[in-house]
Amino acid sequence: EVQLVESGGGLVQPGGSLRLSCAASGFTFSDHYMDWVRQAPGKGLEWVGRTRSKANSYSTDYDASVKGRFTISRDDSKNSLYLQMNSLKTEDTALYYCMRGGIPQYWGQGTLVTVSS
Amino acid sequence: QSVLTQPPSASGTPGQRVTISCAGSSSNIGSNVVNWYQQFPGTAPKLLFYSDDQRPSGVPDRFSASKSGTSASLAISGLQSEDEADYYCAAWDVSLNGRVFGGGTKLTVL
Repeated sequence: EVQLVESGGGLVQPGGSLRLSCAASGFTFSDHYMDWVRQAPGKGLEWVGRTRSKANSYSTDYDASVKGRFTISRDDSKNSLYLQMNSLKTEDTALYYCMRGGIPQYWGQGTLVTVSS
Repeated sequence: QSVLTQPPSASGTPGQRVTISCAGSSSNIGSNVVNWYQQFPGTAPKLLFYSDDQRPSGVPDRFSASKSGTSASLAISGLQSEDEADYYCAAWDVSLNGRVFGGGTKLTVL
């Protein structure tokens, strides 16, 4: 059974940093692109970024709103995906989901990030 | 302002057929596949369709999806109360080099 479990969310002050993790199981993690998607309270879905597989040089893409502040990485040996978030803004407050690429059927349950003073 | 445009709300009575539209452009829907998601409050989105009209196992055939040019649509026939949820379309945008979502449509079953 495919499982994605996010962790690392919490309350952080504007300008601060946070690192989210996504633990994957039930599939060959190294073969898949992985995305981060977020959802602000009461709002719609917003794509954050993607990391491709080793076969695609672990290349990454980001939404313009987070480019230069957020970094996506992965550790295939640990079946884990990461989202390093720096220079956080209040508008980054959201539930952050990791999602498996390919047929985008698998999502985690999300981890809540609150940016507030 | 979302790159993909959906009506913010839709409604129907039990048994009716409702359609939700998703308008895009040549850089997204016009050149890449569309996915549709269903989301209930407090839960992660559930994939309803991928590759424009492919239904994952477990999705009732009351749900159908189609695409034409730079627009896509989701149809639900034989509407049921449990279909009340938010629905999102999504596609890859080659100009933005990123995935784009519609703003979401809140479906109410009257």
